[in-house]
Amino acid sequence: DTEVTQTPKHLVMGMTNKKSLKCEQHMGHRAMYWYKQKAKKPPELMFVYSYEKLSINESVPSRFSPECPNSSLLNLHLHALQPEDSALYLCASSQPRLAGRGGNTDTQYFGPGTRLTVL
Amino acid sequence: SQQGEEDPQALSIQEGENATMNCSYKTSINNLQWYRQNSGRGLVHLILIRSNEREKHSGRLRVTLDTSKKSSSLLITASRAADTASYFCATPYTGGFKTIFGAGTRLFVKA
Repeated sequence: DTEVTQTPKHLVMGMTNKKSLKCEQHMGHRAMYWYKQKAKKPPELMFVYSYEKLSINESVPSRFSPECPNSSLLNLHLHALQPEDSALYLCASSQPRLAGRGGNTDTQYFGPGTRLTVL
Repeated sequence: SQQGEEDPQALSIQEGENATMNCSYKTSINNLQWYRQNSGRGLVHLILIRSNEREKHSGRLRVTLDTSKKSSSLLITASRAADTASYFCATPYTGGFKTIFGAGTRLFVKA
């Protein structure tokens, strides 16, 4: 199974809502990522989990809260978002090249994304 | 500063023609990757070229890497309408999990 799945595909929420985005992979990858992508722009890294531990937080506002319950699942909890947070949110996974907690990533496998609209 | 700047930003060609996209980066790299993204969808990994390689082929794709010029090119031969997509180069930071994507080239192949 070489697929990364994301739910929901589309999400519309108000600024006072709380919602969650979900990502799942069964490739045995131990690194998982959240990216944000605005229209006609490249993906921007938000968070990286390595071996279920938060490895990178790219100074993302606290209204975005990631969670990695186990090696296959990655969540992104959303609360009090702003209209400018509307974007495509992409999840990805990869296998660290080196055994252990560090290592340069090679191929990343992306999910189809969640299209988020904040009203 | 952002790694992986690409040109052209947009490219429109006829089916059957070749498409060439270029990517420049700023720091030392272990490898460089190219991804494709169909409109509003996730990215798909196309090819990875390591810093000790100069050229790599995969089907209709040809990638070159010039580490002295810190540049790479992606050539798609005999393009098809299905190749219409955005193409991104990506360079990982050495030793970490961070990958920086270039601005991307939007390719439109007319049937």
